[in-house]
Amino acid sequence: DAKTTQPTSMDCAEGRAANLPCNHSTISGNEYVYWYRQIHSQGPQYIIHGLKNNETNEMASLIITEDRKSSTLILPHATLRDTAVYYCIVRVGVFQGAQKLVFGQGTRLTINP
Amino acid sequence: KAGVTQTPRYLIKTRGQQVTLSCSPISGHRSVSWYQQTPGQGLQFLFEYFSETQRNKGNFPGRFSGRQFSNSRSEMNVSTLELGDSALYLCASSLGQGYSYEQYFGPGTRLTVT
Repeated sequence: DAKTTQPTSMDCAEGRAANLPCNHSTISGNEYVYWYRQIHSQGPQYIIHGLKNNETNEMASLIITEDRKSSTLILPHATLRDTAVYYCIVRVGVFQGAQKLVFGQGTRLTINP
Repeated sequence: KAGVTQTPRYLIKTRGQQVTLSCSPISGHRSVSWYQQTPGQGLQFLFEYFSETQRNKGNFPGRFSGRQFSNSRSEMNVSTLELGDSALYLCASSLGQGYSYEQYFGPGTRLTVT
């Protein structure tokens, strides 16, 4: 699986959009980009994933560059409850593949009032 | 739909003892994965079970083992506990097939070894 690089920490003001970047320059054509987050002492929470098109759900939007070498997770209106560690993971899509996720160190996002 | 449940939530054991942790996946999910989280190593994959078979295994010693039952519930066992086994143990469930890796995590079991 391709390696990802994320900033160690970021700050964002409450109510503003939080944009979390992820670099995955060695990504291959069949690898998906996944985002999870972990609020302190809880289990990680799935947020969103995508292959090459931009994706949006009720939690966030995922923007993947055309060359797929980087992506940005957008939380449109950040709240204090969005303070968490955000993990960007790249994973090959295999129809009945083992559900192994390799977590890096992630980005610690702090939402400030 | 009920989420992933893990029992117990907290556990204190002594070095040399063994421990069994339990995970009940979301109804309809056939895959259960286990992860260990420590401050030093972060989140690390232990193993995954799908339809009662171990499908993948991480780089942990044989003291760590698991199993899955026909109702998809899973247990993991750690024998001969060491101080370094103190960690948050997380279980995640997923459908287990299809191209998606949407895993849903439980709250974890915090194990302290003294």
